[in-house]
Amino acid sequence: KAGVTQTPRYLIKTRGQQVTLSCSPISGHRSVSWYQQTPGQGLQFLFEYFSETQRNKGNFPGRFSGRQFSNSRSEMNVSTLELGDSALYLCASSIQQGADGGYTFGSGTRLTVV
Amino acid sequence: GIQVEQSPPDLILQEGANSTLRCNFSDSVNNLQWFHQNPWGQLINLFYIPSGTKQNGRLSATTVATERYSLLYISSSQTTDSGVYFCAVDRWNNNDMRFGAGTRLTVKP
Repeated sequence: KAGVTQTPRYLIKTRGQQVTLSCSPISGHRSVSWYQQTPGQGLQFLFEYFSETQRNKGNFPGRFSGRQFSNSRSEMNVSTLELGDSALYLCASSIQQGADGGYTFGSGTRLTVV
Repeated sequence: GIQVEQSPPDLILQEGANSTLRCNFSDSVNNLQWFHQNPWGQLINLFYIPSGTKQNGRLSATTVATERYSLLYISSSQTTDSGVYFCAVDRWNNNDMRFGAGTRLTVKP
């Protein structure tokens, strides 16, 4: 079966711009979670969506937002980009919360803000 | 929030050696997973193991939930095992995974 697909793989943006990242989960998976990975802070939870509803949110400013569509595909948006937003953004999908062995990550989008 | 500590932070082995990676967590959890991140950034799920012991080939993992730690064993290591190993926990089983800082493993031929 196809895995979790994240697009684009690489992105370069300028400070102040906004960016939208996409995540297509494994077919049948309804939960999508987003994470930010940086060398200084490690892997940090951004938010989780299930059936088009945000159920959990990490400790990130309001510039970080997301949504989920009826086909479970999810997008995250970062507005007014800052240099510190440069990171690897990973999404993970699962059938439901806490599914046994069902937590699968995509390859990530590497965002560079200049 | 829950704290996750992994040790050692770095580990260098010769091919064929065995190793044990440790993950301590500060509170009870309903979900614990081990991941391997390859040099290209891909996170691969190794084990879902909130308690008990599991084995998959040369890898095995044990979680002692009452004592709040988990161990990942790698036997007969290969160069392809190199990368960063992460432990992640989810206290309420709601897909809000908290990750440790990882153990960077380098296996030399």
